Amino acid sequence: DAGVTQSPTHLIKTRGQHVTLRCSPISGHKSVSWYQQVLGQGPQFIFQYYEKEERGRGNFPDRFSARQFPNYSSELNVNALLLGDSALYLCASSLGLASGGETQYFGPGTRLLVL
Amino acid sequence: RKEVEQDPGPFNVPEGATVAFNCTYSNSASQSFFWYRQDCRKEPKLLMSVYSSGNEDGRFTAQLNRASQYISLLIRDSKLSDSATYLCVDYGGSQGNLIFGKGTKLSVKP
Repeated sequence: DAGVTQSPTHLIKTRGQHVTLRCSPISGHKSVSWYQQVLGQGPQFIFQYYEKEERGRGNFPDRFSARQFPNYSSELNVNALLLGDSALYLCASSLGLASGGETQYFGPGTRLLVL
Repeated sequence: RKEVEQDPGPFNVPEGATVAFNCTYSNSASQSFFWYRQDCRKEPKLLMSVYSSGNEDGRFTAQLNRASQYISLLIRDSKLSDSATYLCVDYGGSQGNLIFGKGTKLSVKP
């Protein structure tokens, strides 16, 4: 079975631009979470979606938004990019709602560089 | 603010050595903890869960001390392939999210 997939793998943008990152969870998984990992740090929680609804939001500005589609895939959108948004963006999927203690499986990530 | 603290290392050890990592967590109400392994420029992968009674998986042993709010990971008979960053994780985020430490880098040398 395929694991969590993310696209694109790498992306270069300039300040002020907008970016859309995509994630497909493991087949049968209904929850998708997004994390940002800046170099030298652990991943930081951005959003969790379950059954197409936002179920959690981390401490990120409103420039960050996301959604989940009927097939449980998800998009993360970031507007008005800043240099500090350069990071590895990780998507994690779990069978059920993550607050239930479900194991989260990570995709390979999208490496975003903002110039 | 709920946090997880780890010694960033690096820990440089020879093959066959035993190495231990500790981390501390701030949320006394947290119930679930994990160790994830992250190879350079790759995604984190679940290494093992951490149970109150302690648990072992081959050469790896995880322990949880609730009274002192710390978690440990012991690796015996280190292999070159164990070289990676080890992330201590608290599953106690208020929104069901994982709270990661910054990671401890391990380098096993021949």
